[in-house]
Amino acid sequence: EAQVTQNPRYLITVTGKKLTVTCSQNMNHEYMSWYRQDPGLGLRQIYYSMNVEVTDKGDVPEGYKVSRKEKRNFPLILESPSPNQTSLYFCASSSTSGGIGKQFFGPGTRLTVL
Amino acid sequence: AQRVTQPEKLLSVFKGAPVELKCNYSYSGSPELFWYVQYSRQRLQLLLRHISRESIKGFTADLNKGETSFHLKKPFAQEEDSAMYYCALSGGGANNLFFGTGTRLTVIP
Repeated sequence: EAQVTQNPRYLITVTGKKLTVTCSQNMNHEYMSWYRQDPGLGLRQIYYSMNVEVTDKGDVPEGYKVSRKEKRNFPLILESPSPNQTSLYFCASSSTSGGIGKQFFGPGTRLTVL
Repeated sequence: AQRVTQPEKLLSVFKGAPVELKCNYSYSGSPELFWYVQYSRQRLQLLLRHISRESIKGFTADLNKGETSFHLKKPFAQEEDSAMYYCALSGGGANNLFFGTGTRLTVIP
């Protein structure tokens, strides 16, 4: 089944403890992206990647890192999480042919930073 | 700068009534507009895109460049339409998809 997977789905951690949220897609998509969803603010893009080893900042990149060593994987790294990073995170992917607007989303990761 | 505005956070309509979810945008070039939907306990998914000019689940949306709007419409709302709806914009050739803040639609039986 073509899909985007994220792990973990739920995570509670403490301030300053490094964590990684994994994202994987099996559709051979070039484009991958991370968003955070907060009440009243909608979805805001954190980072995106046009292809392997090509990443760029979105609207709210501060406090996050990403890497794209393989086409299928796009992990989101929080080196030193803070409470304001408590949010619902979504990974998405799309083919770049025809534009990146048709994105396939993962199930979301709910992160709580205490 | 790109901006997508969905003025209604919440919208309630009765089953069988027409529904319109508003979306306005600002973008200096030629935008691509999309509607995404998130049903309860399901993933966010693409509902429709303006370049396809299609009707999905009875929903349509017309891009009005003069009014910079891309409102989502359905003539007769169904209970299964209850969901969160997001309008999104991509600038032609751009690498970003900008989302509005979303409208939660509730269809009352």
